[in-house]
Amino acid sequence: QTVVTQEPSFSVSPGGTVTLTCGLSSGSVSINYYPSWYQQTPGQAPRTLMYSTNTRSSGVPDRFSGSILGNKAALTITGAQADDESDYYCVLYMGSGIWVFGGGTKLTVL
Amino acid sequence: EVQLVESGGGLVKPGGSLRLSCAASGFTFSSYALSWVRQAPGKGLEWVSSISSSSSYIYYADSVKGRFTISRDNAKNSLYLQVNSLRAEDTAVYYCAREVWSSGSYYVYYFDYWGQGTLVTVSS
Repeated sequence: QTVVTQEPSFSVSPGGTVTLTCGLSSGSVSINYYPSWYQQTPGQAPRTLMYSTNTRSSGVPDRFSGSILGNKAALTITGAQADDESDYYCVLYMGSGIWVFGGGTKLTVL
Repeated sequence: EVQLVESGGGLVKPGGSLRLSCAASGFTFSSYALSWVRQAPGKGLEWVSSISSSSSYIYYADSVKGRFTISRDNAKNSLYLQVNSLRAEDTAVYYCAREVWSSGSYYVYYFDYWGQGTLVTVSS
């Protein structure tokens, strides 16, 4: 069973930089898993932030960036703002129509 | 404007069934694969099932295989999820999401649009 791992929670100060990661319980995340990232606030549908590792979705500010760091996918927020306080999910495409979401990271900005 | 609007959720007893629908507009429905993604109360997102643009390929998460059936009607711009043998752990908001597989000549694989979801509650 494939498990995608994310930090359960993270905290960042306003204006600070934070990097959220997305890993695999066994193995490394590479661009071949097409990692994508989604932001969700309570009661709302997810919003697409990043796809194919490092391509920002339309309308996403450039303080959001994506990368592969070591054996994980990463989402970096530079200059965090109060309205970045959300849940962040990564998802990996495993091939053959199968997708696996990470458990999500609750980001607090304070 | 791309819109995905889910419906069909509700309260159902364990072992019961529901048919969820997702009405799409604002894009060429028959050109895109679609997925159902669910979120249990207070929990994370879980991919449930996906269907290719022409229904040729259908996939399910192990947790729902044999109980859920995904389908689509390209003439009606609609996606469906028949959910049978429901269990308490199927209680969730069910979202439909549009898949993107390519951008130009590159493969991409992500979800670009999401509906607002429909709540399924399984309880006696």
